[in-house]
Amino acid sequence: DAKTTQPTSMDCAEGRAANLPCNHSTISGNEYVYWYRQIHSQGPQYIIHGLKNNETNEMASLIITEDRKSSTLILPHATLRDTAVYYCIVSLADNYGQNFVFGPGTRLSVLP
Amino acid sequence: SQTIHQWPATLVQPVGSPLSLECTVEGTSNPNLYWYRQAAGRGLQLLFYSVGIGQISSEVPQNLSASRPQDRQFILSSKKLLLSDSGFYLCAWNRGLAGTQYFGPGTRLTVL
Repeated sequence: DAKTTQPTSMDCAEGRAANLPCNHSTISGNEYVYWYRQIHSQGPQYIIHGLKNNETNEMASLIITEDRKSSTLILPHATLRDTAVYYCIVSLADNYGQNFVFGPGTRLSVLP
Repeated sequence: SQTIHQWPATLVQPVGSPLSLECTVEGTSNPNLYWYRQAAGRGLQLLFYSVGIGQISSEVPQNLSASRPQDRQFILSSKKLLLSDSGFYLCAWNRGLAGTQYFGPGTRLTVL
């Protein structure tokens, strides 16, 4: 079972910031938070990951609360091409990835 | 840069027929390789992973099998397909003990 809970769906207006929440209240101290997205009929695409500190890359920002029990993925200026299912995953980094559990994710619809 | 390939992209097979899906990775050596299955509207289910040639770990007992004949080649097989084998099959890779996985484009299998 996934260790995370996410809203089933969200809408966002084009050009606005999309804030996708994720709860991971049982996360352990050495588990990372990973975000992926999956556009229809394609393989999941890696977005970002972090442990404690907030992270930013060319795609998104990841804000992790101080107690690490929740996080938010921020797409600063959503476009129509950001419409996808977004997955939040918590996993140990020092394993062979077999604990990468993808739940149902959040279906983000960016509206014109 | 690394690239992961899967083929075929789509496949329609009758119940009871054999299956062979292939995944190859370019631009890296000794990757960890993974097979996932995604049912319609669901998250990903890890089927197999491999940390080296000839090494296969199965996560879910079923009528599927996996093999790794070469360092960067991962094959998913079945001797007799079931209707329940229909789905979107994804191959992924990562290196060493790093959690981030990178996914291929997927194969959509329909068993009739």
